[in-house]
Amino acid sequence: AQSVTQPDIHITVSEGASLELRCNYSYGATPYLFWYVQSPGQGLQLLLKYFSGDTLVQGIKGFEAEFKRSQSSFNLRKPSVHWSDAAEYFCAVAPYNQGGKLIFGQGTELSVKP
Amino acid sequence: NAGVTQTPKFRILKIGQSMTLQCTQDMNHNYMYWYRQDPGMGLKLIYYSVGAGITDKGEVPNGYNVSRSTTEDFPLRLELAAPSQTSVYFCATREGPREKLFFGSGTQLSVL
Repeated sequence: AQSVTQPDIHITVSEGASLELRCNYSYGATPYLFWYVQSPGQGLQLLLKYFSGDTLVQGIKGFEAEFKRSQSSFNLRKPSVHWSDAAEYFCAVAPYNQGGKLIFGQGTELSVKP
Repeated sequence: NAGVTQTPKFRILKIGQSMTLQCTQDMNHNYMYWYRQDPGMGLKLIYYSVGAGITDKGEVPNGYNVSRSTTEDFPLRLELAAPSQTSVYFCATREGPREKLFFGSGTQLSVL
């Protein structure tokens, strides 16, 4: 079945440590890929997106993500986490041949230790 | 510039009642979406539309209906409300399949 999976429900990292949030998808052709962040009580904000070309994409707030076709993954990374990065992170996938459909993963909640 | 406007912001329904969640956008976007967000479950796609007169089912369409008679409006209808429909509902729009979503402020719905 077609799906978007974020294997980690909750991650805790220390401030200043590096971060990687995982996202896997199961669609035939390479879909359009997105990462969104939702801070407590806030709406969703787009961090970055990937369609084609360079598999390493840069986003806002110092985030980057790498697309790996062989692993059907689009993992989000940040070299040094700040306390303000504590939030819920969602991977989203727009299947290439399904019009405007946009499916979200279940989210990963990030906590940052001082 | 209002963006995406959702009404109401809060609503309590009794089991078996029906209601319509309104969504209006003034950005002239063709793509519109309805999601529900349950705690710890992320956003689930209910219905979406790629233009006036065109709607498609998402992941969890059962118990809901939509219509898209104009570019601006995309109402979500709940028929025979059930406790399982207690959730926060978000309407969203975007310009195209590669573009970011713009979200409404959400509707918190409780079915008791």
